[in-house]
Amino acid sequence: DTAVSQTPKYLVTQMGNDKSIKCEQNLGHDTMYWYKQDSKKFLKIMFSYNNKELIINETVPNRFSPKSPDKAHLNLHINSLELGDSAVYFCASSQGRDRVEQFFGPGTRLTVL
Amino acid sequence: GDSVTQMEGPVTLSEEAFLTINCTYTATGYPSLFWYVQYPGEGLQLLLKATKADDKGSNKGFEATYRKETTSFHLEKGSVQVSDSAVYFCALRVPTGGFKTIFGAGTRLFVKA
Repeated sequence: DTAVSQTPKYLVTQMGNDKSIKCEQNLGHDTMYWYKQDSKKFLKIMFSYNNKELIINETVPNRFSPKSPDKAHLNLHINSLELGDSAVYFCASSQGRDRVEQFFGPGTRLTVL
Repeated sequence: GDSVTQMEGPVTLSEEAFLTINCTYTATGYPSLFWYVQYPGEGLQLLLKATKADDKGSNKGFEATYRKETTSFHLEKGSVQVSDSAVYFCALRVPTGGFKTIFGAGTRLFVKA
């Protein structure tokens, strides 16, 4: 009955590789997000999609490309991984874009060696 | 710009002690305010929220009041338990920039038995 799920939970890879993280929500929400949490727990929005349309695209290197095949899925592809990409990446969803709470996935810990 | 400032941690308390975690914000317009909690190894989950001035959010013994005059949303609990040990995030959601949620830096709470 997981509401927001992410795969994989852990990802260890070498610099220069390309990797993807997948996110799925079964809450029927129409808005999904990607956040990056650094080692000091600081949480920063990266992208947001509403009904498969990109609505927030923060200052993120273009090596990061989100893709939303449908309202229930938002994947994150990262090209040419760098050491500084090591972090925990959280997917989240909400119903609508207004003053609403977000539901977070369990996170994907990415380690770039 | 919009921002959230919360007290630095870690905060260490004994069981049954009183908890206050300070949070102040800067925002254009009228934001909604949230407290999220992150338990070790998990994603964030909503603890409580308030959508307009003087609203009080409450959940699991935690409370916070939306104070427009002091631009604050301090989190309080009368008697903490060991199970409350977690990282607490204050956040605001504003309509600018596509209804972005802006998080504070997080405050880690340790509760000793």
